[in-house]
Amino acid sequence: AAGVIQSPRHLIKEKRETATLKCYPIPRHDTVYWYQQGPGQDPQFLISFYEKMQSDKGSIPDRFSAQQFSDYHSELNMSSLELGDSALYFCATKERTRYEQYFGPGTRLTVT
Amino acid sequence: GESVGLHLPTLSVQEGDNSIINCAYSNSASDYFIWYKQESGKGPQFIIDIRSNMDKRQGQRVTVLLNKTVKHLSLQIAATQPGDSAVYFCAETPLTSPTDKLIFGTGTRLQVFP
Repeated sequence: AAGVIQSPRHLIKEKRETATLKCYPIPRHDTVYWYQQGPGQDPQFLISFYEKMQSDKGSIPDRFSAQQFSDYHSELNMSSLELGDSALYFCATKERTRYEQYFGPGTRLTVT
Repeated sequence: GESVGLHLPTLSVQEGDNSIINCAYSNSASDYFIWYKQESGKGPQFIIDIRSNMDKRQGQRVTVLLNKTVKHLSLQIAATQPGDSAVYFCAETPLTSPTDKLIFGTGTRLQVFP
């Protein structure tokens, strides 16, 4: 079965650089969530989209922005990167009418 | 891969035994609960879910129990296998959430030894 695709899987950036993470949902999934997971932490909700509109926002820094495109894929843009941004970033997708979210394999961002 | 859950509570069980992983949630308004399994360097994998109008739900080798009175959730794994070794998270969706975002609890590392 098709799964959520995230790219890149690994990313190394220096402080103050920018990064773009991409998420491609499972077919027919129209809702996308982004989560951040620090070492030894549980995933923390950042932002979500439905039908290309932002639907909810969590503890996402102002330096981060995201959008969802007409094909339902989503991109998380991160600017002025800080050491503390080093984490695993997951997107999860689902059908609007269902509850269960399916997670991608994540992007490991390392800021040096 | 990434070492998820470096300082998480750990449950060690012998292969073939049953495992019980517990989770306390804080929001009495939550309506939906999920258990996820996360292996090192991978994304959380959906295991089983339960709505607040149910007390118990069974899947293949797994059972989720929900006690709304004490806001407690548990995951039971029957005949635990080495492949079950992972970090397990419970997650909830508050009724007040417009978008079903997940609020995760502290994970538990399950170690299965022969």
